[in-house]
Amino acid sequence: EADIYQTPRYLVIGTGKKITLECSQTMGHDKMYWYQQDPGMELHLIHYSYGVNSTEKGDLSSESTVSRIRTEHFPLTLESARPSHTSQYLCASSRVEGEKLFFGSGTQLSVL
Amino acid sequence: GEDVEQSLFLSVREGDSSVINCTYTDSSSTYLYWYKQEPGAGLQLLTYIFSNMDMKQDQRLTVLLNKKDKHLSLRIADTQTGDSAIYFCAETRRNSGNTPLVFGKGTRLSVIA
Repeated sequence: EADIYQTPRYLVIGTGKKITLECSQTMGHDKMYWYQQDPGMELHLIHYSYGVNSTEKGDLSSESTVSRIRTEHFPLTLESARPSHTSQYLCASSRVEGEKLFFGSGTQLSVL
Repeated sequence: GEDVEQSLFLSVREGDSSVINCTYTDSSSTYLYWYKQEPGAGLQLLTYIFSNMDMKQDQRLTVLLNKKDKHLSLRIADTQTGDSAIYFCAETRRNSGNTPLVFGKGTRLSVIA
């Protein structure tokens, strides 16, 4: 059973607000990832981290930023939310790169 | 091509077998994965197969791997309504650069009672 948690589960906010999506895991995994999922199902990697103080941009350009100050915590921040940011955001972790990913339950973000 | 390919939709009757197919790209992929996503949830690892195996069976699930054709399939026996979900296949890529696992676009399985 995966021990990776995302909050909030659902978030509805107005345009221009700053938001932070939280992701925490208790498995001691060094590798953590953020995916954005289209309504049409496809997953897009937007950020990843190989460990503390490591952050990299993924395959899909995103206006969000991430930080990795602690191993267990990988928050994602949007400085000024827009309707185009409306999506499902999935956090994941793995023990090593290329190994199976464990996913959180996701945050469904709606920006009005 | 560079993408992991899956058909987008599959519809089966309850009790029948479901077969979800996937074509991957990297012949040196070490692991190939199947994930299940239920509505409004994250992805759950369903099963995986190591590249030196041809088949793996786990209760109602059978994974077949054809390395020559880079083809992966997931068979669900006696499909139930609770199996309705989106199924993603994923591969590891040796020279993937930024991407840890590469996912297909997902197959939406609908089970008709």
